[in-house]
Amino acid sequence: AQSVTQLGSHVSVSEGALVLLRCNYSSSVPPYLFWYVQYPNQGLQLLLKYTSAATLVKGINGFEAEFKKSETSFHLTKPSAHMSDAAEYFCAVSSETGGFKTIFGAGTRLFVKA
Amino acid sequence: GAVVSQHPSWVICKSGTSVKIECRSLDFQATTMFWYRQFPKQSLMLMATSNEGSKATYEQGVEKDKFLINHASLTLSTLTVTSAHPEDSSFYICSARRGGLETQYFGPGTRLLVL
Repeated sequence: AQSVTQLGSHVSVSEGALVLLRCNYSSSVPPYLFWYVQYPNQGLQLLLKYTSAATLVKGINGFEAEFKKSETSFHLTKPSAHMSDAAEYFCAVSSETGGFKTIFGAGTRLFVKA
Repeated sequence: GAVVSQHPSWVICKSGTSVKIECRSLDFQATTMFWYRQFPKQSLMLMATSNEGSKATYEQGVEKDKFLINHASLTLSTLTVTSAHPEDSSFYICSARRGGLETQYFGPGTRLLVL
């Protein structure tokens, strides 16, 4: 079985500060890992994904994440937060053996203070 | 590319009626489509997986007679909420996956309100 744990349901940062959203996964097979962003009343937008290639993955809007197998982590970072980054962020895991069913974490709401 | 649409974007219906939600992959053939529901301020919960031309596979606890899923073509899947009740009010999101690839593309969601 696969699962994802996002540490912190809410994260608040100041504009220009580092953004760090934590995600730990559990998977008995090599995982695919994703970060999605959701703005209010909208669907999900893919920020980035890890598919067993480079462990440091760069995504859209200046976000990146690093896959660390030893720590079973896939934390999302951005060097400098913008007000427009305020949204809900979901970490997710899937696998080929799991039929590519995507299991989502509980989500982390990011607040950006001016 | 890889655009997924949903229709309608929102719907209000009376308790006891049935509601159909369409999910379309606009520029690719989706061998697999997934249906999720999301309650306010919560995460997405997978309801079912549908493969074109075969019966949907439902997650534990999801009533297949309540949530009818049809995946009649490689670009269209439908979710019908039968005899809807207020507790079915939710945000329903579909996603579509190309064959052989791991990435799912999500639709914009359908907000259902049952009065």
